[in-house]
Amino acid sequence: KNEVEQSPQNLTAQEGEFITINCSYSVGISALHWLQQHPGGGIVSLFMLSSGKKKHGRLIATINIQEKHSSLHITASHPRDSAVYICAVSPLSYNTDKLIFGTGTRLQVFP
Amino acid sequence: DAGITQSPRYKITETGRQVTLMCHQTWSHSYMFWYRQDLGHGLRLIYYSAAADITDKGEVPDGYVVSRSKTENFPLTLESATRSQTSVYFCASSDWTGYNEQFFGPGTRLTVL
Repeated sequence: KNEVEQSPQNLTAQEGEFITINCSYSVGISALHWLQQHPGGGIVSLFMLSSGKKKHGRLIATINIQEKHSSLHITASHPRDSAVYICAVSPLSYNTDKLIFGTGTRLQVFP
Repeated sequence: DAGITQSPRYKITETGRQVTLMCHQTWSHSYMFWYRQDLGHGLRLIYYSAAADITDKGEVPDGYVVSRSKTENFPLTLESATRSQTSVYFCASSDWTGYNEQFFGPGTRLTVL
């Protein structure tokens, strides 16, 4: 079993829909990261969070440390949100800057 | 250019050839990483470096060699390329903050024929 699991693996939506991507992890962490990768593109960091909730534009990330679970929400989705969203964690057991990555959720938003 | 860059962006080579992928960052970040990204596997760590002259193996190091003589550069060498090394390679860097935020390069798409 992977230490970081994402669901769903693939997601399609109509423009304007509210989207939720989930991430569960099995290790103690100092932080959780959400990353975005557009088709053929590089990887950019969207959020880094260790508790509570963060919001940036139409994107909201939440984390529940007790339940070892995080969600990424996209409100009023748009075709430009089509990308792979990757969850990664910073394990407490590591004394380095290494991360453990989920396999990603591929999102397609249609007009 | 500021940030983290990779070269080449695309490379086609033949089985058995030596290939070096370059990574350069301008932030003086202490940590640098090499990942490969394959369908169904996500990002897998090949090697990482905590500082100049300090490197360590990641999850999938076999067939790869790294060096870090200067803080800003972290080249990855495939000593004798194999078809299974066809992949997209990402370099990343981070500064030791305890939260491990990593900044990624644009990637190198490598095809081994």
